[in-house]
Amino acid sequence: DSGVTQTPKHLITATGQRVTLRCSPRSGDLSVYWYQQSLDQGLQFLIQYYNGEERAKGNILERFSAQQFPDLHSELNLSSLELGDSALYFCASSRDGGGTQYFGPGTRLLVL
Amino acid sequence: AQTVTQSQPEMSVQEAETVTLSCTYDTSENNYYLFWYKQPPSRQMILVIRQEAYKQQNATENRFSVNFQKAAKSFSLKISDSQLGDTAMYFCAFIWGAQKLVFGQGTRLTINP
Repeated sequence: DSGVTQTPKHLITATGQRVTLRCSPRSGDLSVYWYQQSLDQGLQFLIQYYNGEERAKGNILERFSAQQFPDLHSELNLSSLELGDSALYFCASSRDGGGTQYFGPGTRLLVL
Repeated sequence: AQTVTQSQPEMSVQEAETVTLSCTYDTSENNYYLFWYKQPPSRQMILVIRQEAYKQQNATENRFSVNFQKAAKSFSLKISDSQLGDTAMYFCAFIWGAQKLVFGQGTRLTINP
């Protein structure tokens, strides 16, 4: 157990809908990262937050947004969902802005 | 741009054998970290081992060890006495500064009984 929690574990929804994925980092970790892993693909970095502030953006679509709250948990919002958004979404956390990242169990999103 | 390359899409060995997974990376940075993550069929991402670039000594974690060649930008993972539970996708990853992890495409390792 990495200490990073993600909810829900599974999510099935329809095209055009909006969903929110939630992540709680390890105790004491200030930085949260979101990654997307499509079927049989590597991991693509989406966005990073550090102590409530956005620090880095990767290949994140405009339909996607995220935030980190004062208690350091983070939410990833996916809207106007398309079939191609079906993927495994990981949250990871680290003590500071660099170094070792520990991954949550992921949220499996299926868009029908 | 920083890139990570894993040249072996798939590997298969017998239980108890030793296997080495290859990884090369490209960077102009001097201070960085390298990692191997394991993703079993459950698809959880599990940290296997990490190496700080400023350390010359190769990292070791039980049956897992790395061969870090900084000048050659090479970072291979050796698994000794392989076990059925080692069957997984293995990702090499790289990070510098306060940046994102850059992952290779992965090597699918199968341990046969």
